[in-house]
Amino acid sequence: GQQLNQSPQSMFIQEGEDVSMNCTSSSIFNTWLWYKQEPGEGPVLLIALYKAGELTSNGRLTAQFGITRKDSFLNISASIPSDVGIYFCAGLNTGTASKLTFGTGTRLQVTL
Amino acid sequence: NAGVTQTPKFRVLKTGQSMTLLCAQDMNHEYMYWYRQDPGMGLRLIHYSVGEGTTAKGEVPDGYNVSRLKKQNFLLGLESAAPSQTSVYFCASRSNPGTRTYNEQFFGPGTRLTVL
Repeated sequence: GQQLNQSPQSMFIQEGEDVSMNCTSSSIFNTWLWYKQEPGEGPVLLIALYKAGELTSNGRLTAQFGITRKDSFLNISASIPSDVGIYFCAGLNTGTASKLTFGTGTRLQVTL
Repeated sequence: NAGVTQTPKFRVLKTGQSMTLLCAQDMNHEYMYWYRQDPGMGLRLIHYSVGEGTTAKGEVPDGYNVSRLKKQNFLLGLESAAPSQTSVYFCASRSNPGTRTYNEQFFGPGTRLTVL
């Protein structure tokens, strides 16, 4: 099955730095979701995007739905230690029982 | 409001044994999903349900069966476990159409299964 390409695969950053990650697909989606997963836990929804070009924020997180509908971006500003985890993007098209196609994940490590 | 819950949290099986994983949601969601997560593979859809009494195959359905007898519960069964089914299993439910969050899926905490 298809998986979305996420980059970078992993990041080691210092506390206070900004983070950017992206997700690309060979096919278009009409919804993009961003999740965070911490060790031993299930993915937690961070941001949902429903319209091409849409820019949505959730606290220090900002995500964008790419104009081509084939990509999405997530930025984290002023990172803190609790941002550590794996960030997954997921795309879906309404009408396919909302089956999500997941990205491969970006592992974020934050050092003090 | 507990969201999505899963039982058990951990389980070890021997090859050939059977078991059932239970997922429950208290959000009145119609759609529910079972995924497995393996290192380097991300999350893959096993089966899903679009409402009580309905089930459908996902990306990797072989070796699994599901039932949705009640709207709030979605069961995943392994009839004869194999080592290849060692994985972390996640259940999710989706917001209902017509709501502001209609495409958003919410995940349970997972069941870590080891098949020896």
